[in-house]
Amino acid sequence: LAKTTQPISMDSYEGQEVNITCSHNNIATNDYITWYQQFPSQGPRFIIQGYKTKVTNEVASLFIPADRKSSTLSLPRVSLSDTAVYYCLVGGLSGYSTLTFGKGTMLLVSP
Amino acid sequence: GAVVSQHPSWVICKSGTSVKIECRSLDFQATTMFWYRQFPKQSLMLMATSNEGSKATYEQGVEKDKFLINHASLTLSTLTVTSAHPEDSSFYICSVQGLAEYNEQFFGPGTRLTVL
Repeated sequence: LAKTTQPISMDSYEGQEVNITCSHNNIATNDYITWYQQFPSQGPRFIIQGYKTKVTNEVASLFIPADRKSSTLSLPRVSLSDTAVYYCLVGGLSGYSTLTFGKGTMLLVSP
Repeated sequence: GAVVSQHPSWVICKSGTSVKIECRSLDFQATTMFWYRQFPKQSLMLMATSNEGSKATYEQGVEKDKFLINHASLTLSTLTVTSAHPEDSSFYICSVQGLAEYNEQFFGPGTRLTVL
């Protein structure tokens, strides 16, 4: 399983765009990149998933460079409710594969 | 996505007792479910993979005789912490494997176990 590295924490203010970068130098050819969000005492929630280039949904964008050795989760105009831990995971899609959670990034959004 | 529930949401028990935690997939037939444990300010750690109708697959270091997993139907998996001790106090989270092509897991709300 590819190991991921993320910043331990990030601070931002309401209304700003937040970009969280994840390094995954050993990503395999069939690995997808998935981001989850977790609030305290809750289970993680799926945010976005991608394989290459850019993916956008109603919540976030995911930028993946051509070499796929890193990815950036972009949260536009964050609010206080976006304060959470964000996890970057990589894994294959054949059948199923277990998820290995790294330490995640604690995002603190202030007024 | 799939809706996953857990019961109870929290439980306090005495040392030496056994505790059962239920994980239900409310709108999705889950062939595969996962159980995680999360200690305070730490990441989720996969404990075991639960497959419907067969024995669970445990991760290295997880005692299968202490953490009994039963996945008797496509909508229910249970985790029983046997002879619980204070060091078993943790946040237990289950997840349901989604459609194979997306490798997406849908997580339950978690169960906070406190062993006195």
